[in-house]
Amino acid sequence: DAKTTQPPSMDCAEGRAANLPCNHSTISGNEYVYWYRQIHSQGPQYIIHGLKNNETNEMASLIITEDRKSSTLILPHATLRDTAVYYCIVRLNDYKLSFGAGTTVTVRA
Amino acid sequence: EAGVTQFPSHSVIEKGQTVTLRCDPISGHDNLYWYRRVMGKEIKFLLHFVKESKQDESGMPNNRFLAERTGGTYSTLKVQPAELEDSGVYFCASSLNLGGLGYTFGSGTRLTVV
Repeated sequence: DAKTTQPPSMDCAEGRAANLPCNHSTISGNEYVYWYRQIHSQGPQYIIHGLKNNETNEMASLIITEDRKSSTLILPHATLRDTAVYYCIVRLNDYKLSFGAGTTVTVRA
Repeated sequence: EAGVTQFPSHSVIEKGQTVTLRCDPISGHDNLYWYRRVMGKEIKFLLHFVKESKQDESGMPNNRFLAERTGGTYSTLKVQPAELEDSGVYFCASSLNLGGLGYTFGSGTRLTVV
């Protein structure tokens, strides 16, 4: 699996967009970028995934650069409930996920 | 739709005792996975069932851990005998298909071995 690099932590103001970067410079052509998050005391939660094109769902948007070496998860209007650890994972599929340290996102009122 | 259910939510046992964790996946999900986070470490894959068959148990730490999924419905993970380093949070997840659509995780069982 391609290695991913995420900042260890970031703060975001409530109501503002949160932009979470992820570097995956060794990604191969058929590997997907997955994002999960873990809210305290809960299990990890699937957010979104993509291959080449930008993706959007009810939770977030995923922007993947043209060379696919990096991506950004966007939470359009962060709320206090979005405070969590966010994991960027690169894999052929989401079988046997490998969670790294992730980015601890704190949304402040 | 009911989610993935795990119980107990917390368990405190003494070293050397046996503990059995249970996971009820989402109905109809053939794929069931166990993961765990031991103290200070990252979440790691333990094993994967397709229906009642173990497809991959490469993440199981040692033979003190035994997972079963009788009848392809719920699954149990038994630790016997438990050691201090087994303390952590054990997560179960299920998925309809293999790959691409995301898992649904349970809230986990927090195991403390004293």
